[in-house]
Amino acid sequence: DAGVIQSPRHEVTEMGQEVTLRCKPISGHDYLFWYRQTMMRGLELLIYFNNNVPIDDSGMPEDRFSAKMPNASFSTLKIQPSEPRDSAVYFCASSLDRMDGGELFFGEGSRLTVL
Amino acid sequence: GQQLNQSPQSMFIQEGEDVSMNCTSSSIFNTWLWYKQDPGEGPVLLIALYKAGELTSNGRLTAQFGITRKDSFLNISASIPSDVGIYFCAGLKSGTYKYIFGTGTRLKVLA
Repeated sequence: DAGVIQSPRHEVTEMGQEVTLRCKPISGHDYLFWYRQTMMRGLELLIYFNNNVPIDDSGMPEDRFSAKMPNASFSTLKIQPSEPRDSAVYFCASSLDRMDGGELFFGEGSRLTVL
Repeated sequence: GQQLNQSPQSMFIQEGEDVSMNCTSSSIFNTWLWYKQDPGEGPVLLIALYKAGELTSNGRLTAQFGITRKDSFLNISASIPSDVGIYFCAGLKSGTYKYIFGTGTRLKVLA
């Protein structure tokens, strides 16, 4: 089975531009997560969805960040307008629903550089 | 955001040596996951733990869910050069799906 698929793998953009990151979770997984990884702050949870519905977006840093999951096989994370401090690796992860917590499977990540 | 404390932060070891690292928290967790991340790649799941005291192996890797439910341990036996990377723990509290990640242990193996 294919794992979590993210695109683009690398994105270089200029400050003020809109950035859209995409994710295809593992088929059949009920949960989808967006994480951001930086040297300073490690892996931070931004938002997660259950059955396409956003459950907790308390980790989204600002209104410039938004995430959608229009169907079970696709999600986007959008930054508009982007700023240099948004430079990081953004990971998407998915898991099955289980009482004691599902195993998280990560994609390869999207490395974002905002100049 | 909250992070779990992992130690050591980094370690150099000789090939063939055993490695131990741990993850601690002031909170109780119901699930512990251990990941390895190679440069430029996403974290790869190594071991999942679901019960206090549970000991689970995956090849040369063995992880334990601490009895207090506030810590977890990962051991690598007979390390090899490809064990190089960053190892992360992740804990999950009851009633939530918000996994909290550790600060990572960077492992370097000297051949």
